[in-house]
Amino acid sequence: QVTLKESGPGILQPSQTLSLTCTFSGFSLSTYGMGVGWIRQPSGKGLEWLANIWWDDDKYYNPSLKNRLTISKDTSNNQAFLKITNVDTADTATYYCARIEGRHYFDYWGQGVMVTVSS
Amino acid sequence: DVVLTQTPVSLSVTLGDQASISCRSSQSLEYSDGYTYLEWYLQKPGQSPQLLIYGVSNRFSGVPDRFIGSGSGTDFTLKISRVEPEDLGVYYCFQATHDPFTFGSGTKLEIK
Repeated sequence: QVTLKESGPGILQPSQTLSLTCTFSGFSLSTYGMGVGWIRQPSGKGLEWLANIWWDDDKYYNPSLKNRLTISKDTSNNQAFLKITNVDTADTATYYCARIEGRHYFDYWGQGVMVTVSS
Repeated sequence: DVVLTQTPVSLSVTLGDQASISCRSSQSLEYSDGYTYLEWYLQKPGQSPQLLIYGVSNRFSGVPDRFIGSGSGTDFTLKISRVEPEDLGVYYCFQATHDPFTFGSGTKLEIK
């Protein structure tokens, strides 16, 4: 059974760094073809892809976030991480992590974690 | 960046009727190896999105055969035959052929 769960700080101030953790089970990020992606959704709005990391440590980022993103993984502990530097109120959103397997993206999603950026 | 234009923005359907959602891409979504990374997701109220269709027309595990994906190149369609109450929510198309990957803006399906 594949499960993913996001965790994060809940609230943070502008200019701080947002650190998110995705803890998963039911698959391994050391298996060929596996990946984890991060997607966010401001309240009442659509979905925005942020970043992916693959089994071989290959990484892809959304350039719209202008080098503020860093994705990483801890294979032995079944976790993936996303850092967003210099946050602004526009980063207020629900953040999801999701599994990627081979040719289908985001086949299992976490429940999401709400992050609020406010002074 | 690839822009995915979904129409209609919202759709009100009688239970048992068919619903059709269009997703038009600003570029062809056929990858160099011939595969097309076009997927459809449904986000039910208060829930995380769920994968319905991958590779244009392949239903993900457990997805009813009422959901039918079709299309090629730049034009794609999701048809839902015999709409049921649990089908309500927002439908998104998504492309992973071109970096950065992008979602459509969503189509809200309501039940009449």
